[in-house]
Amino acid sequence: GAGVSQTPSNKVTEKGKYVELRCDPISGHTALYWYRQSLGQGPEFLIYFQGTGAADDSGLPNDRFFAVRPEGSVSTLKIQRTERGDSAVYLCASSPSTWTGELFFGEGSRLTVL
Amino acid sequence: KQEVTQIPAALSVPEGENLVLNCSFTDSAIYNLQWFRQDPGKGLTSLLLIQSSQREQTSGRLNASLDKSSGRSTLYIAASQPGDSATYLCAVRRSNYQLIWGAGTKLIIKP
Repeated sequence: GAGVSQTPSNKVTEKGKYVELRCDPISGHTALYWYRQSLGQGPEFLIYFQGTGAADDSGLPNDRFFAVRPEGSVSTLKIQRTERGDSAVYLCASSPSTWTGELFFGEGSRLTVL
Repeated sequence: KQEVTQIPAALSVPEGENLVLNCSFTDSAIYNLQWFRQDPGKGLTSLLLIQSSQREQTSGRLNASLDKSSGRSTLYIAASQPGDSATYLCAVRRSNYQLIWGAGTKLIIKP
């Protein structure tokens, strides 16, 4: 597609439920990033993929969070046993092959945990 | 530890004025710096990317400068318009692929 696509745009769930957020990057971009943004703050790094592998997952807050990118294109961020503190906008970005390249962001998935 | 600061946190100016947004960083060892725009409830739109070897980049009414030695970048917006109202964020890339973000400047252009 023309840009980074994220679904769903909004997700409301109950505490303790499982959630999946999807990111479809720009075609041909090998680098993919997940960020989390709370109101009034800059994005917080979660995980970086180069191709199919997670090159750096040091930003994932705990083992309830997991992300995959099995074919080097679409990525899914998975959150188990959601907590109210997980509520945020989850942003996905992709970049051309080199990690110094420009980042292009999707519109984000707003997660609300009740 | 790299820290990125954007001052002011909010700015309100009349339409038509030229304005400057500031971004400062504590460690000059950067690979590039990128300016983004974020509209309420939306994702981030890349405005300008300045590589560490560059001094400035221009796109339309926008001009971004980079002074690594002083740890500063500015985003200059000429002839501001109400449609420029948004939050502007800068992000610095260091020796790895992670971006270090400022908290943003919320800009309001009054008609």
